[in-house]
Amino acid sequence: GEDVEQSLFLSVREGDSSVINCTYTDSSSTYLYWYKQEPGAGLQLLTYIFSNMDMKQDQRLTVLLNKKDKHLSLRIADTQTGDSAIYFCAERSNDMRFGAGTRLTVKP
Amino acid sequence: NAGVTQTPKFRVLKTGQSMTLLCAQDMNHEYMYWYRQDPGMGLRLIHYSVGEGTTAKGEVPDGYNVSRLKKQNFLLGLESAAPSQTSVYFCASIYGGGHTNEQFFGPGTRLTVL
Repeated sequence: GEDVEQSLFLSVREGDSSVINCTYTDSSSTYLYWYKQEPGAGLQLLTYIFSNMDMKQDQRLTVLLNKKDKHLSLRIADTQTGDSAIYFCAERSNDMRFGAGTRLTVKP
Repeated sequence: NAGVTQTPKFRVLKTGQSMTLLCAQDMNHEYMYWYRQDPGMGLRLIHYSVGEGTTAKGEVPDGYNVSRLKKQNFLLGLESAAPSQTSVYFCASIYGGGHTNEQFFGPGTRLTVL
């Protein structure tokens, strides 16, 4: 089946930028998403990008999409301790597939 | 609006028992999904529905059945629970078909099969 892959862990210092990377294999993906999950909670949509775009910015969040390489990234500027969570990349074609999640730890 | 709700929040079953998880949404969404979340594996799609009366298999459908008799409800059934089905189950819904819009998630059901 189609896969979505992301690294499992990322640790940064408060105030630094965080970059979480994701690769996917389904060339028919039309929307790509970033979700945030805090402990014991469901998934919260952070942002999404349509596949014909290469960048989307929303306050501290920047999404970059390289459709040729099927690579998606999420950059969080000025990372805060409240950003510590698991971040999931997802791609949507006919159904919706998620990566395994990247656990972001922000150290003070 | 209550959004997406799931019942129950927690459940412990013995191997071989059956149960039904209920997902309800009051947003008039067409598409509904059931996922399971296991450590280190992200969310895996079990079954989904593109409208009332329709269902389709996802990545990991074995051991589960679903029904969408009413647009607002999507039921996930386990006929004979197995320890491998210990997981956190999330339901989600989207307004339209196609490839737009936010997928709204329920709070999850934590299921343990002994």
